[in-house]
Amino acid sequence: DGGITQSPKYLFRKEGQNVTLSCEQNLNHDAMYWYRQDPGQGLRLIYYSQIVNDFQKGDIAEGYSVSREKKESFPLTVTSAQKNPTAFYLCASSIGRVETQYFGPGTRLLVL
Amino acid sequence: RKEVEQDPGPFNVPEGATVAFNCTYSNSASQSFFWYRQDCRKEPKLLMSVYSSGNEDGRFTAQLNRASQYISLLIRDSKLSDSATYLCVVNTNAGKSTFGDGTTLTVKP
Repeated sequence: DGGITQSPKYLFRKEGQNVTLSCEQNLNHDAMYWYRQDPGQGLRLIYYSQIVNDFQKGDIAEGYSVSREKKESFPLTVTSAQKNPTAFYLCASSIGRVETQYFGPGTRLLVL
Repeated sequence: RKEVEQDPGPFNVPEGATVAFNCTYSNSASQSFFWYRQDCRKEPKLLMSVYSSGNEDGRFTAQLNRASQYISLLIRDSKLSDSATYLCVVNTNAGKSTFGDGTTLTVKP
């Protein structure tokens, strides 16, 4: 079964803690993306990567970091510098940079 | 001004109605355009791509107007199951992707 998986489904973060959200795809897609969605709002781009070992900041990269060491994996770390991390985080991938994006089921991050 | 703007709605229509959504974008270098559907607390799913010549998929028709920098989505003969939030997406050639905030549609019996 080809697709995008994200884990965990729910994640709880304590104040001052870094947490890492997992995103894996077996679609052989080159491009991968991370978005944040707040209630009642659209998706905002955090980071994107067109190729292994390369990534670019999106519109709201502050307080987040990513890595792209493997084609199929694009983990997102929410650092303690992100003061309002509670949101729905969505990972997506596409064959190329202007192509259709396919989304994982998302991770809901809550701050304790 | 936002890079991609949508009328947030909500649009409340009866079954069988025709409804249209518009989405404007500001970056003239935009290369590809899509409509996605998002159900409550779920991930967005592709509804259709938008081509320069316009395209149709069953009850759904998408149009692109590059001169005026907007895309549109027309839904004919609305069904209860069409109730969702509809998101437009605009991609630049550099790979940056921008979503609109979405338009909420509720179809009522």
